[in-house]
Amino acid sequence: GAGVSQSPRYKVAKRGQDVALRCDPISGHVSLFWYQQALGQGPEFLTYFQNEAQLDKSGLPSDRFFAERPEGSVSTLKIQRTQQEDSAVYLCASSPPKRDTQYFGPGTRLTVL
Amino acid sequence: QKEVEQDPGPLSVPEGAIVSLNCTYSNSAFQYFMWYRQYSRKGPELLMYTYSSGNKEDGRFTAQVDKSSKYISLFIRDSQPSDSATYLCAMNRGGFKTIFGAGTRLFVKA
Repeated sequence: GAGVSQSPRYKVAKRGQDVALRCDPISGHVSLFWYQQALGQGPEFLTYFQNEAQLDKSGLPSDRFFAERPEGSVSTLKIQRTQQEDSAVYLCASSPPKRDTQYFGPGTRLTVL
Repeated sequence: QKEVEQDPGPLSVPEGAIVSLNCTYSNSAFQYFMWYRQYSRKGPELLMYTYSSGNKEDGRFTAQVDKSSKYISLFIRDSQPSDSATYLCAMNRGGFKTIFGAGTRLFVKA
């Protein structure tokens, strides 16, 4: 069966550019999460959606980061005016209803030059 | 101090060895404990999921949770070269915000 997919897999941006990262969760999964994983570190929580509602965005590091999930399925993480410290792997995960277990996508590796 | 501490390793063992991976945590409200395996350039894959204290076994993997000591462990029996990966512990209070350890890199030598 299809797992969580993310695109693009790799993104190189010049400092100051805007980027948009896409996540397609597993069909039927109502919960969707975004994480940031720096090199050699574990994933750090960014934000969480239940269907189209963004219930927690406390992990977003600055107001340059914005996430949306308008129809409760596909989600987009947007980073405006990228900085070098934004370089990381951005992971998306989804969970089925009434379950805590999260299924991760392969991530998007963002490099900001 | 981080909420979840995990030795980053690397840990190198011969094939067939028993591997012990550990995490400590500071938040006594954590109730759900997970272990993920992450291969290079892949997303984390859930291995074990346990609630509260106790042991859980699944094939060659055993997860232990000791809430009184705020200490969790993952044991891998008869380790294989294909087990070479980064192992991440993770935990939450029930609900969405999961806290991960930094991950331990494991190498199993043939």
